Amino acid sequence: GAGVSQSPSNKVTEKGKDVELRCDPISGHTALYWYRQRLGQGLEFLIYFQGNSAPDKSGLPSDRFSAERTGESVSTLTIQRTQQEDSAVYLCASSSGLAGVGGELFFGEGSRLTVL
Amino acid sequence: AQSVTQLGSHVSVSEGALVLLRCNYSSSVPPYLFWYVQYPNQGLQLLLKYTTGATLVKGINGFEAEFKKSETSFHLTKPSAHMSDAAEYFCAVSPTGGFKTIFGAGTRLFVKA
Repeated sequence: GAGVSQSPSNKVTEKGKDVELRCDPISGHTALYWYRQRLGQGLEFLIYFQGNSAPDKSGLPSDRFSAERTGESVSTLTIQRTQQEDSAVYLCASSSGLAGVGGELFFGEGSRLTVL
Repeated sequence: AQSVTQLGSHVSVSEGALVLLRCNYSSSVPPYLFWYVQYPNQGLQLLLKYTTGATLVKGINGFEAEFKKSETSFHLTKPSAHMSDAAEYFCAVSPTGGFKTIFGAGTRLFVKA
């Protein structure tokens, strides 16, 4: 598509429920990133995928968080047994993944998650 | 490990005044450096970036930043602030040849009339 698309744009859930957030990157972009932005705070790196390489999961805060990406297409971020501290905007970004050239990240509008 | 420090979570300037947003990074080798801007109710967009070559880089809307290796800094400036510059600004770093992009905590810029 023309830009990075995320869904849902808003999600309200009860504590303990599982949620799935979806990201559809720009066509042809090999790199895909997930970030978390808590209210009034900066972007917290969660995970990135680059082509068929093993993802860098170093930013996932706990084993309740997982993400998948099939090839160079859609990615899903799953949060199991949600907690109130998981409330945040989850941002997805994609990049052309040109190693060594400092590729720009293109961001989606984000998925706002509220855990009651 | 790389890190980014943005000095000042909030900066307030008068319209027409100089804008200076500070960013320092920590990296074992010179990384790629970025400034992103997030306008109210909008997604993040790239303002400017430094990869190689000239250390003074110009971006959109009259902003520029200078990479100073000796100071490990990449401060963002604009000679004259406009009301429309009110936004949150994020400094970011990624390793040369790598992909993991780390963001600073952000600086919210307020512009007073």
